[in-house]
Amino acid sequence: EADIYQTPRYLVIGTGKKITLECSQTMGHDKMYWYQQDPGMELHLIHYSYGVNSTEKGDLSSESTVSRIRTEHFPLTLESARPSHTSQYLCASSPSPGSGELFFGEGSRLTVL
Amino acid sequence: AQSVTQPDIHITVSEGASLELRCNYSYGATPYLFWYVQSPGQGLQLLLKYFSGDTLVQGIKGFEAEFKRSQSSFNLRKPSVHWSDAAEYFCAVGEGSGNTGKLIFGQGTTLQVKP
Repeated sequence: EADIYQTPRYLVIGTGKKITLECSQTMGHDKMYWYQQDPGMELHLIHYSYGVNSTEKGDLSSESTVSRIRTEHFPLTLESARPSHTSQYLCASSPSPGSGELFFGEGSRLTVL
Repeated sequence: AQSVTQPDIHITVSEGASLELRCNYSYGATPYLFWYVQSPGQGLQLLLKYFSGDTLVQGIKGFEAEFKRSQSSFNLRKPSVHWSDAAEYFCAVGEGSGNTGKLIFGQGTTLQVKP
């Protein structure tokens, strides 16, 4: 069983609020990722990190930011949420070296009113 | 650019019937291929993966998939579907060298199981 945790699982907030989605893993994986998933759609990579103090933007442009100060922690922040940010955000990790397999958290479903 | 296509958005099968979910990919070299399953309100769970070797790979929950290079396909199969298999299924290909963990996902296939 993979040990990767996301909080909150569900969040409903108003426009303009700052939010942070938490993601933690206890597997010691170097690589971590944030994917965005809209209903009925494929997942799109928005951020990734290959280790502490390393962060990169993914293929899908996002107004969110991430940080990687500790190996086990990879939070995602939106400074000013808008309705267009309404989506499900999935955090994942992968061992290094590895086979590219991702271990996913259960997701954070964000609704911005 | 790499891409993944899952032609079937929604499939309904009867419990006990066989299942095949289609996946086609676009990539020049030997791809790293994955099938994930997502139950409602949950994250994704890996069913199986292919990197090299035997083109028929076995996964969890009785699933298998066959890599066919000539058809650029990696179809998922199960001989007898259970009601608990109802979920969303995603095919994915590893971007670039494949083991970066950066995956390109298909749009997903929703599986409904009739009693």
